[in-house]
Amino acid sequence: DTGVSQNPRHKITKRGQNVTFRCDPISEHNRLYWYRQTLGQGPEFLTYFQNEAQLEKSRLLSDRFSAERPKGSFSTLEIQRTEQGDSAMYLCASSFRREVAGELFFGEGSRLTVL
Amino acid sequence: AQKITQTQPGMFVQEKEAVTLDCTYDTSDQSYGLFWYKQPSSGEMIFLIYQGSYDEQNATEGRYSLNFQKARKSANLVISASQLGDSAMYFCAMREGRNGGNNRKLIWGLGTSLAVNP
Repeated sequence: DTGVSQNPRHKITKRGQNVTFRCDPISEHNRLYWYRQTLGQGPEFLTYFQNEAQLEKSRLLSDRFSAERPKGSFSTLEIQRTEQGDSAMYLCASSFRREVAGELFFGEGSRLTVL
Repeated sequence: AQKITQTQPGMFVQEKEAVTLDCTYDTSDQSYGLFWYKQPSSGEMIFLIYQGSYDEQNATEGRYSLNFQKARKSANLVISASQLGDSAMYFCAMREGRNGGNNRKLIWGLGTSLAVNP
């Protein structure tokens, strides 16, 4: 399978715990994005990497959230001291800059439930 | 502010018939791109079709076509010959900026849930 891979697919945690999600993009894609989607809503942009550089962060990304892409390949999204409001689907997507449309290719998402 | 509006929370269509899903957008930029994605119950967002603001022809991809009316700021998705597997959420999204340029983020609508009846 050469698509975008995310894990874990589901995570249930207690409030206050830390969680980490991993995203493996399509191998030749140099751009990687994290989005958050809550029930009944469209995705909301969180952050964006070009290679290993984090070029943009949304104001939605509070200090408890951190994302990395250390070698320009896979990325991690960590949420510290989780709150119930963090419950959502976290979507990772990748793209290749030189494609004309630059469409995003998404993984199946990581669903977080904070109890 | 940039905004995508999808006014149809849910739509029904009979198998083999065509259906149009509405999308209007608001932007002050002259250069932008419009996307439609499908999200089945599995959660994955699947890219369907793209229209650039300077593209003169309406985009088509197989059974999908985009009815782009720039003056009205609308980008409706037309699905022809609906199939049971088309049942899913459909999202319209917009990227501001030059076609193929800095692809930083998309602004998304709330989606339309499509149910295809046998």
